[in-house]
Amino acid sequence: QVQLQQWGAGLLKPSETLSLTCAVYGGSFSGYYWSWIRQPPGKGLEWIGEINHSGSTNYNPSLKSRVTISVDTSKNQFSLKLSSVTAADTAVYYCASFPGYCSGGSCYGGYWGQGTLVTVSS
Amino acid sequence: DIVMTQTPLSLSVTPGQPASISCKSSQSLLHSDGKTYLYWYLQKPGQSPQLLIYEVSSRFSGVPDRFSGSGSGTDFTLKISRVEAEDVGVYYCMQGIHLRTFGQGTKLEIK
Repeated sequence: QVQLQQWGAGLLKPSETLSLTCAVYGGSFSGYYWSWIRQPPGKGLEWIGEINHSGSTNYNPSLKSRVTISVDTSKNQFSLKLSSVTAADTAVYYCASFPGYCSGGSCYGGYWGQGTLVTVSS
Repeated sequence: DIVMTQTPLSLSVTPGQPASISCKSSQSLLHSDGKTYLYWYLQKPGQSPQLLIYEVSSRFSGVPDRFSGSGSGTDFTLKISRVEAEDVGVYYCMQGIHLRTFGQGTKLEIK
């Protein structure tokens, strides 16, 4: 059973850099895109970006200038950095794997972390 | 950027009755590999989202067969044949053909 465990600072001041890490336990690290998604309080899901095991990244154009996603395959971990945060970046941040699919009677991917609330306030 | 538009944004359903959610994309989600990269997620209250349907109509692990997905190109539908109390939450469609974009979400509640 694959589990994603995420951690990072939950309270930031404006202009600081958000930093979160997600560890993947119990399964293969290759074959997926490892993503970050956020959800402002009471609102919907926003995809931030993703990385694969070889380090290839894709970013949401609206956040690209402030986002860096990196991977440490030796630890089966990937990380998010979001610079120059403001109150608008206050959200629950999730790590997740894409895609999810089933083949040969087994299903793969579709994993999500537990979410981390990050609050930006002076 | 691909925009995903869901309707309705909320619905209230009596247990045992059907429910349907529409999702429209601003561009075709049909890839040259023949697959259509449209997914459906359910976020139950206080939980992380969970995958229900992948590639338009394939149910993911453990998803009851009362859930079904259909559609093609730019128009997609999630149907619940008989709503149960455990189905409450917010349903999101997501495209995966060009980066990823979620719809606004549809909140399902029980009457």
